[in-house]
Amino acid sequence: SQQGEEDPQALSIQEGENATMNCSYKTSINNLQWYRQNSGRGLVHLILIRSNEREKHSGRLRVTLDTSKKSSSLLITASRAADTASYFCATAQYGNNRLAFGKGNQVVVIP
Amino acid sequence: DVKVTQSSRYLVKRTGEKVFLECVQDMDHENMFWYRQDPGLGLRLIYFSYDVKMKEKGDIPEGYSVSREKKERFSLILESASTNQTSMYLCASTSHSTYEQYFGPGTRLTVT
Repeated sequence: SQQGEEDPQALSIQEGENATMNCSYKTSINNLQWYRQNSGRGLVHLILIRSNEREKHSGRLRVTLDTSKKSSSLLITASRAADTASYFCATAQYGNNRLAFGKGNQVVVIP
Repeated sequence: DVKVTQSSRYLVKRTGEKVFLECVQDMDHENMFWYRQDPGLGLRLIYFSYDVKMKEKGDIPEGYSVSREKKERFSLILESASTNQTSMYLCASTSHSTYEQYFGPGTRLTVT
């Protein structure tokens, strides 16, 4: 199955700065999703962008999708210490509810 | 509020033991999933189920089996635990009509 791959793997920023993460994938998708995982906990869904959408916003989150390059980016604006977590992208193909997850991107926001 | 619960947060078992990990969701979701998460490998799908009594293999089913006798409950079974099954196990659910998955808090299993 295909997998998303996030880049960079680890990011350390000051509170108030923006954090950007990228994800690439290999095959056609129905949608791409981003999840957050706080240390030792389950994943929490953040945002979903469909293959016919190019950009989506939710609060301080902005996601873009470029299907021609098979890539997506997640931008967190005005980061807070509470944003410290691992962030995963996941892709869904047409016809099923399975997700293929990337390896995760650790973000540390320094107060 | 949507909820997925897992039977244990931490579990320590011995090699060769039979291990049951239980997952319960209260959202009437049709689909349920079991993943394992290991450092550097991300989440890998073990098994999933589209409906009661239905199951399908994911990417790494070897050494595991599952049971779904009721819609809200999805069990992962390690028939004979081995040390390479030490991992974080995550359960998730979703409905047929949406793609967002709801995750439980995870079970950190250590096999000694």
